[in-house]
Amino acid sequence: NAGVTQTPKFQVLKTGQSMTLQCAQDMNHNSMYWYRQDPGMGLRLIYYSASEGTTDKGEVPNGYNVSRLNKREFSLRLESAAPSQTSVYFCASSVKLAGSVGETQYFGPGTRLLVL
Amino acid sequence: SQKIEQNSEALNIQEGKTATLTCNYTNYSPAYLQWYRQDPGRGPVFLLLIRENEKEKRKERLKVTFDTTLKQSLFHITASQPADSATYLCAPETGANNLFFGTGTRLTVIP
Repeated sequence: NAGVTQTPKFQVLKTGQSMTLQCAQDMNHNSMYWYRQDPGMGLRLIYYSASEGTTDKGEVPNGYNVSRLNKREFSLRLESAAPSQTSVYFCASSVKLAGSVGETQYFGPGTRLLVL
Repeated sequence: SQKIEQNSEALNIQEGKTATLTCNYTNYSPAYLQWYRQDPGRGPVFLLLIRENEKEKRKERLKVTFDTTLKQSLFHITASQPADSATYLCAPETGANNLFFGTGTRLTVIP
């Protein structure tokens, strides 16, 4: 049981290049999320997917697109990378614990992206 | 707009003492609040969830309180150990079943 996996672990891009960050979970969770984490800013939600086939914008969606390919996989695409997108990107999936009101999130190890 | 504040960026404490971290939120009333631990270079890990109608929640050496009047949650680690050194994130729910994460408090437990 690998949990949440992300690829790549580290990437360097030039301004204007595109790339896709991959995320997969093997816990059969319905909801999945993409966050970015910057120093002093905390984790900010980019996009989320409450179920297969649905996606919604989070707090900072500009410059990104997502695809919920199936229940397991949720990818994040940067069409034209900018230096402001230099960050650490985390994917997460969530489940509602028995007897709980809300969903607990399980995070991947992160992708460190540097845009020059 | 919603705002989350964690009391300080960094907290140093002697081994064996109780660490207390503070999370304040403004402009809304979350139905529940979660706490996560994050180690350097890794993703956050869930620790505890507390509902708005619960005053206190415990798990081993961890205790969380939730004061909806003060709009504040306190996170305590008793008998702290060097292995407890990490960044702790407060995450109230946003009302859309998502979480709004604070910037975190970096705890260092000194042997």
